[in-house]
Amino acid sequence: EAGVAQSPRYKIIEKRQSVAFWCNPISGHATLYWYQQILGQGPKLLIQFQNNGVVDDSQLPKDRFSAERLKGVDSTLKIQPAKLEDSAVYLCASGQLRAGGRGELFFGEGSRLTVL
Amino acid sequence: AQSVTQPDIHITVSEGASLELRCNYSYGATPYLFWYVQSPGQGLQLLLKYFSGDTLVQGIKGFEAEFKRSQSSFNLRKPSVHWSDAAEYFCAVGGTGNQFYFGTGTSLTVIP
Repeated sequence: EAGVAQSPRYKIIEKRQSVAFWCNPISGHATLYWYQQILGQGPKLLIQFQNNGVVDDSQLPKDRFSAERLKGVDSTLKIQPAKLEDSAVYLCASGQLRAGGRGELFFGEGSRLTVL
Repeated sequence: AQSVTQPDIHITVSEGASLELRCNYSYGATPYLFWYVQSPGQGLQLLLKYFSGDTLVQGIKGFEAEFKRSQSSFNLRKPSVHWSDAAEYFCAVGGTGNQFYFGTGTSLTVIP
């Protein structure tokens, strides 16, 4: 079974530029998450999708971050304009979950963003 | 609100020694609990999970964890650590709405 695919693996940009990350979840997984992991910290949820609908985006900085999951499969996370503090690894995870978190998340390898 | 605390930022053990990584959670109902491991430059891999039933759960790579409701803890253990176990370990709790909350992680160094 293919895992969660993410691209690009690495991206270096200057502040105020824009960047986009792509995620292809495991086939059949309805739930998709984007996490931000700053060096030395645990993953922080940015946005959660159920199929192509947003379940939780309360921690997404909406003035600069946006995400979509068209057709309930692939997802794109965009940052525009980027700030220095956006330097982090962006992790995509997917799962076929029952209510209340009873399931397992599968993670991609992450996209490491460096903002100069 | 749900939260996870991992009190130990960094732990160093000798190869062959036993290991215990601590995790405390805050959650209003019966939690679903997880331990993940992250090697450098990699995503997170599930080690084990607790949903219900037996409070001692076995995972991959010889790891186990014990759920103690009275202490709100879910500590990870391994009887004999191998050099390849050096990594970052994250405890997580799954809550309503299929939301997952992660601790800040414990970095494990293994001395030969």
